[in-house]
Amino acid sequence: NAGVTQTPKFRILKIGQSMTLQCAQDMNHNYMYWYRQDPGMGLKLIYYSVGAGITDKGEVPNGYNVSRSTTEDFPLRLELAAPSQTSVYFCASAGQADYGYTFGSGTRLTVV
Amino acid sequence: AQRVTQPEKLLSVFKGAPVELKCNYSYSGSPELFWYVQYSRQRLQLLLRHISRESIKGFTADLNKGETSFHLKKPFAQEEDSAMYYCALSGPTITQGGSEKLVFGKGTKLTVNP
Repeated sequence: NAGVTQTPKFRILKIGQSMTLQCAQDMNHNYMYWYRQDPGMGLKLIYYSVGAGITDKGEVPNGYNVSRSTTEDFPLRLELAAPSQTSVYFCASAGQADYGYTFGSGTRLTVV
Repeated sequence: AQRVTQPEKLLSVFKGAPVELKCNYSYSGSPELFWYVQYSRQRLQLLLRHISRESIKGFTADLNKGETSFHLKKPFAQEEDSAMYYCALSGPTITQGGSEKLVFGKGTKLTVNP
């Protein structure tokens, strides 16, 4: 049981480049989330999904996009990378009747 | 609006001393409150939920609705407790018109010195 798997673990992007952060869970959880973690700022919600085909914006969605074509996968897309997107990104999932999140190991992204 | 405040960015104690990590929240309804922990170079893990009223790794947390607080306590800190601790609040569930989102505080870095 892998839980929540995030890839890649590290990435350096140049300004203006695009990339997709992958997130997959094998727990059949309906709810999936993307957070970014900045030093001293806690975790801020970027996007979330309550089921396949349904996504919604969180607190800081600008510059990002998501899709949820399957229950298992919830990729996060950065279209035009900016230095302000340098952060650690965490994906998380939760079951329908479960209030505890399971987190992935994170992706450390640096935009230069 | 839902808000979680952790007033201490850093907290340092000696091994064997009591420790209390503070968490205050702002929420008009009946919240679900959580503590998450992140050890060095590891992913965030759920430490405890107020609704389950359990003690994990010697930590306890009591929900005080009058003071809107959910402080995390441990009577005797251990060096392995050194980590980043996040308090989190969940608002209405889907069936209540909400969306099952967690709001996190900014975290408190606990260092337990030998």
